[in-house]
Amino acid sequence: DIHMTQSPSSLSASVGDTVTITCRASQSISSYLNWYQQKPGKAPKLLIYATSSLQSGVPARFSGSGSGTDFTLTIFSLQPEDFATYYCQQSYSTPLFGQGTKLEIK
Amino acid sequence: VQLVQSGAEVKKPGQSLRISCKGSAYMFTSYWITWVRQMPGSGLQWIGRIDPSDSYTKYSPSFQGDVTISADKSISTAYLQWNSLKASDTAMYYCARTARVAGETFDIWGQGTMVTVSS
Repeated sequence: DIHMTQSPSSLSASVGDTVTITCRASQSISSYLNWYQQKPGKAPKLLIYATSSLQSGVPARFSGSGSGTDFTLTIFSLQPEDFATYYCQQSYSTPLFGQGTKLEIK
Repeated sequence: VQLVQSGAEVKKPGQSLRISCKGSAYMFTSYWITWVRQMPGSGLQWIGRIDPSDSYTKYSPSFQGDVTISADKSISTAYLQWNSLKASDTAMYYCARTARVAGETFDIWGQGTMVTVSS
């Protein structure tokens, strides 16, 4: 089975900061990595698919990169609405989510 | 395009339950439907998925045998069913439209159905 390790589990930042969240797979998953945002009490929302493709309607301050086993989600110039929990998801084999990263306001 | 799920449920252990997920404004049979569990205060767990065009299903080993996923393409609706609920089934359940892009990508989500199992 492929295991996903997402870090950090939580992160404090200020409006305007740039933050990076990482996701590591236990074996190569090519570019089969997606990122989701979930706000409290809401369903997850697709942000980025296939490592770096921005889902329609998602602001360009969200960026994804990586390949193989190591992937990153970068959020440039944080906005108040970006404070949420973020999940990576591999789709190379049976879909599996990372543990999540809670992004909080400093 | 949206997925609308059935409302919150409160059940007793041992009871059965079926929750639903209705798709609209897209060709229901062109996308799989995936079910995801989120236990209180926890992350997302992939339960399984169905291809509404032929009802072929795939389950996570963690959920195989505990739930049944089905679909009625004539009414664009997918279902998640339990025959005998346990307290540990208490969770929010989401359905998600699944695009076969870069593997399986969950591009549209339902609003969630909260299932509470308590004696």
